[in-house]
Amino acid sequence: AQTVTQSQPEMSVQEAETVTLSCTYDTSENNYYLFWYKQPPSRQMILVIRQEAYKQQNATENRFSVNFQKAAKSFSLKISDSQLGDTAMYFCAFMPPGTASKLTFGTGTRLQVTL
Amino acid sequence: GAVVSQHPSRVICKSGTSVKIECRSLDFQATTMFWYRQFPKQSLMLMATSNEGSKATYEQGVEKDKFLINHASLTLSTLTVTSAHPEDSSFYICSARAETQYFGPGTRLLVL
Repeated sequence: AQTVTQSQPEMSVQEAETVTLSCTYDTSENNYYLFWYKQPPSRQMILVIRQEAYKQQNATENRFSVNFQKAAKSFSLKISDSQLGDTAMYFCAFMPPGTASKLTFGTGTRLQVTL
Repeated sequence: GAVVSQHPSRVICKSGTSVKIECRSLDFQATTMFWYRQFPKQSLMLMATSNEGSKATYEQGVEKDKFLINHASLTLSTLTVTSAHPEDSSFYICSARAETQYFGPGTRLLVL
């Protein structure tokens, strides 16, 4: 069974600064997908970024980028130029391939962006 | 991205009654949908995998007779909480699988 670990329950960053959220996972699979989801106070789960394990290049979406280290089973999220709207709960998630594959979530990191 | 809706967004019911929550994929077809439960300040807990045209697959510890799931079409899955009790009060979220999982906005259930 896969496990996903987020070791930072809470983090704080000042507006315009950069912050990195950590995530590690454990799996015996070689092909899989990794995700970061954001859950703002509205509680709507929003996909932030997705990474396929077979791709060595780190995924990037505007101010969001990941550092994917497959051998170390690490998948951190970097948020650049933090904005107040980035305040949310961030969940790291793992999914094996297949149409009925389930997401395994980490426990989440609560990020607070301050002025 | 793909859009998933949920209805109702919040519901209050009396203990002993049943509540149905609908999950719809609005602009894509989903043979597989998922139902999660989330307690305050916690992560999402998968309850069951809903498969179109077949029985749902429940996670260990989730009562099948308590949480009835029906996936009658490629765009609709329903979760019925039967004989609801206060301990069933929670936030329920569905997701539908396209190239990734897209989530509905959630349903807040309060059982009095």
